[in-house]
Formats: sequence, structure tokens, C-alpha cells
Amino acid sequence: DGGITQSPKYLFRKEGQNVTLSCEQNLNHDAMYWYRQDPGQGLRLIYYSQIVNDFQKGDIAEGYSVSREKKESFPLTVTSAQKNPTAFYLCASSPGGGRSYGYTFGSGTRLTVV
Amino acid sequence: DQQVKQNSPSLSVQEGRISILNCDYTNSMFDYFLWYKKYPAEGPTFLISISSIKDKNEDGRFTVFLNKSAKHLSLHIVPSQPGDSAVYFCAASSNNQGGKLIFGQGTELSVKP
Repeated sequence: DGGITQSPKYLFRKEGQNVTLSCEQNLNHDAMYWYRQDPGQGLRLIYYSQIVNDFQKGDIAEGYSVSREKKESFPLTVTSAQKNPTAFYLCASSPGGGRSYGYTFGSGTRLTVV
Repeated sequence: DQQVKQNSPSLSVQEGRISILNCDYTNSMFDYFLWYKKYPAEGPTFLISISSIKDKNEDGRFTVFLNKSAKHLSLHIVPSQPGDSAVYFCAASSNNQGGKLIFGQGTELSVKP
């Protein structure tokens, strides 16, 4: 059964720590994306990758880093430089270009700084 | 600069009536529009889409209308059901943005029995 798996579902981080959110897809999609959801602000693009070993910054990339070493995997690291990391993080993938069928989303990771 | 705007954060309708969710955009290069539905603590799921060469697309109870001159699209749900209660996001894309989807802020729909 194809889909996107995000883990963990809930994550707690102490201030000053880096944390990595996992995103794995078995849809054979070329493109992958990371979004952040905050109340009243919709979904804002953090990073995206259209091909293995290549990725681009989105609108709010500061304080985040990614890698795309495998087609199936696109982990997101929230670094200590991210000033307000508490949010709901969504990973998505698309066949390429995000055109005809839009994105398939994972179920999200809720990150809380304690 | 918010290129895709959903100006109503919430909407409440009675079961069986029509729900109309609105979305405005500013970028005239957008040529493909989508609506997603999201339940709490879950990822959004694709609902319906429309290309800029059309002005209407229908799928069961869901119809999306596109008014290019007004840079406005709307999602109609008829009849509304309690299970439709969720947050609805509109999204837009264009060729010159590498296929990225730009999302609106979302509208929370509540359908009351």
C-alpha cells in the first residue's frame, strides 16, 4: 500500500537542541516537500526537492536543513537557529512538478519545544 | 506577500445546505488550482482541481468555479454533510514556480446537523 510515512507523530525538543523529522515515501515520486502549519497562516513551504541530491529553499527555510540522498527519503532537521519551532510539520510528495494530481501528504509531526 | 488568500477563517452551515468556500489569488501566472481537505492532526487530502482553461469542474457533491478575470475561485459543496467539517485549503501552481503549490490560510468549515 503506497503512501508517505512521517515519524514520529509527536516530538518534544528542549531549547537549543537539533531534531530530525523523518519522511519516507514508497510512491516512486520524484518531488518531495516540507511544509509547516501554524494557526491562521496556512501551509508555508520550508524546503523542496525535485530530484535526488538536489533541494531548494522555500519561503521559510531559515533554521532548517534537509538532505535528499535517496528518492524515498527527505528528512528535515530543525536546528537550534529556528526561533519558533513549535508547529505541525507536513511532508508531501508528487510525481514531478506537482501539477495534475497535486501532492500526497503524510500525516504530519507535531513538534513542541519544552 | 500572500499570493493565495482565503479571507474567511471559518464558515458554519446547516446540514443539507450549500457550503461556499472562497479563495482569491494575485499571481496571474497561476494556471492550476486545487482544493485540499484537512482533519485535525492529519495531512491534507486532495479534493478537486481545475485548470485555468476551464471555469468549472464538478465531482459529485463538489464543484469548483474559476473566475480568471477576478482572480477568484470557489468551492461549492452541495448538500453539506457533518463529515465535511474540516479545514479546506486552496492551492495554486504555475510553470514558472517549478510546480510548487502555494497554499491559502485555510477555512474551517463546520456543518451542523
